[in-house]
Amino acid sequence: GENVEQHPSTLSVQEGDSAVIKCTYSDSASNYFPWYKQELGKGPQLIIDIRSNVGEKKDQRIAVTLNKTAKHFSLHITETQPEDSAVYFCAASKGRRDDKIIFGKGTRLHILP
Amino acid sequence: DARVTQTPRHKVTEMGQEVTMRCQPILGHNTVFWYRQTMMQGLELLAYFRNRAPLDDSGMPKDRFSAEMPDATLATLKIQPSEPRDSAVYFCASARDGLDRQLFFGEGSRLTVL
Repeated sequence: GENVEQHPSTLSVQEGDSAVIKCTYSDSASNYFPWYKQELGKGPQLIIDIRSNVGEKKDQRIAVTLNKTAKHFSLHITETQPEDSAVYFCAASKGRRDDKIIFGKGTRLHILP
Repeated sequence: DARVTQTPRHKVTEMGQEVTMRCQPILGHNTVFWYRQTMMQGLELLAYFRNRAPLDDSGMPKDRFSAEMPDATLATLKIQPSEPRDSAVYFCASARDGLDRQLFFGEGSRLTVL
């Protein structure tokens, strides 16, 4: 089955700097890669996603890149702000309606003042 | 606004006791997932249902865990007997059928087994 590895487990960046979180997946049939953000005491929420027919997708300060050959994808946050402090999860699935969605172990992002 | 509702939010129980967690998915969502979150393992998929039918429960310890959807508005996750290693936050998420499903998570049930 699918296995998703996520690095780093913890990341601290200065406010205003960029943050990058990387994930790898094992199943070459996976073609849908969402990212979720979890704030303290809450459930995760979708922030951006990408399908395997797209190499990069951007939404304001966040962007996701996908390298299907290498089976890895990354989340980039630019101009980080205090409200970006949270736990971020990457995930992978085959995108079919009956397919499971497998998450990485998460990255705790700290934005330092 | 529509949201996934989980109860209880917090549960402290003693080892050996039965624990039942409940989830009300968003109306119209026909897929329900149960995840367990721990510091070490992140978000582990325990089981998921589509149109109330279990599709995969391979992530659950079968001897003590069970998951059901008695109707479209209720999903349950039961642990009997509970053990200290079951202490975690349990999340339910629901999604509408279709490709590239967005999961909508509840706020979780924090379980502590003493």
